[in-house]
Amino acid sequence: ETGVTQTPRHLVMGMTNKKSLKCEQHLGHNAMYWYKQSAKKPLELMFVYNFKEQTENNSVPSRFSPECPNSSHLFLHLHTLQPEDSALYLCASSRTGGERYEQYFGPGTRLTVT
Amino acid sequence: AQSVTQLGSHVSVSEGALVLLRCNYSSSVPPYLFWYVQYPNQGLQLLLKYTTGATLVKGINGFEAEFKKSETSFHLTKPSAHMSDAAEYFCAVSDPGNQFYFGTGTSLTVIP
Repeated sequence: ETGVTQTPRHLVMGMTNKKSLKCEQHLGHNAMYWYKQSAKKPLELMFVYNFKEQTENNSVPSRFSPECPNSSHLFLHLHTLQPEDSALYLCASSRTGGERYEQYFGPGTRLTVT
Repeated sequence: AQSVTQLGSHVSVSEGALVLLRCNYSSSVPPYLFWYVQYPNQGLQLLLKYTTGATLVKGINGFEAEFKKSETSFHLTKPSAHMSDAAEYFCAVSDPGNQFYFGTGTSLTVIP
């Protein structure tokens, strides 16, 4: 596998379910990101991890819970979601260290909350 | 603060015609600018980036963009559109903490 992978690619869940999204990067990067992409809106940055430490949480509801066990893996745990949480969830990674580096994106998980 | 405005949420061009997608930015620091492309059911793929130096930047698939500081613009162009260019295009600016700020995207349709 190369680049950034995400599983599952599609997920349908009820509002009372608990599920997790997984992201893995094979690029040797030290920063990982979760974004939410909704129609007609800019990408919304949700969480940022640098060297496994969370450095950004952009006022994301607590029903979204990130986990970063190491620099290569990132999870987004979901529970008691709302229909408005239906969106494409994108994971990205980048280098870090005093420069501004491009981010590399995974293919996304299309989430539908019923 | 950083922000990006993409003028035109939808652009249609004929196959073989010039592609011009507009991006204007606001940045409190010297900007690093990016163009990404998103094909259906896929993530974002980097087309090109501007950091410092030469203001005309060439990217993949024949695209290029020119950084114009006086106009705070970073428009994306391609001399001749191909059917495979149909996709969503996003302009972005990053801040010193490497946080990215994306525009709302421009959907490009190529008419045969």
